[in-house]
Amino acid sequence: GAGVSQTPSNKVTEKGKYVELRCDPISGHTALYWYRQSLGQGPEFLIYFQGTGAADDSGLPNDRFFAVRPEGSVSTLKIQRTERGDSAVYLCASSTNGGGGPYEQYFGPGTRLTVT
Amino acid sequence: DAKTTQPNSMESNEEEPVHLPCNHSTISGTDYIHWYRQLPSQGPEYVIHGLTSNVNNRMASLAIAEDRKSSTLILHRATLRDAAVYYCILRDNYGQNFVFGPGTRLSVLP
Repeated sequence: GAGVSQTPSNKVTEKGKYVELRCDPISGHTALYWYRQSLGQGPEFLIYFQGTGAADDSGLPNDRFFAVRPEGSVSTLKIQRTERGDSAVYLCASSTNGGGGPYEQYFGPGTRLTVT
Repeated sequence: DAKTTQPNSMESNEEEPVHLPCNHSTISGTDYIHWYRQLPSQGPEYVIHGLTSNVNNRMASLAIAEDRKSSTLILHRATLRDAAVYYCILRDNYGQNFVFGPGTRLSVLP
């Protein structure tokens, strides 16, 4: 079946611009996660949705970052006034159940964001 | 979530078994041990997870020490496709996101 998809696969933008990154989770998955991965490091948690609501946004680095999931399916990560330090691969993952413990997360291929 | 420690890198020859170690001395009784791997230019993918008992699936085996302070991911016959970064992560029933460390970069030599 279809996995998690993310668009665009690559995004180049100029410093100061606004960008939106889209995530389509696996159908029926109630939990959705955004991570950010810098070169040579493991993914870093940004935000977690359970249904339509952001259950944990403690990983968002500052108020330039915002994410929505209005209908409990597709999610959009929005970054305002982009900075060169925002350059990274942004990963989305979904899970059947928002509970922790044993539940597996399915990751998309990521969006590579480059801020020039 | 408790922290894990893994070697930065390991090498293996193709078609030989690989044992990837992970130390988690501060693990709590409710922490599950998860392994994910990340192939080049892809998102992480699930490999295996366990709580107390050893686990086997089509990809790998997970051997968990009796005191649960360490575990080993076993790839029975490494292939070139197994070259990836392998992450060992702990997560309890209340934790939602995974906390990834730098992982172990596995190289497989033909």
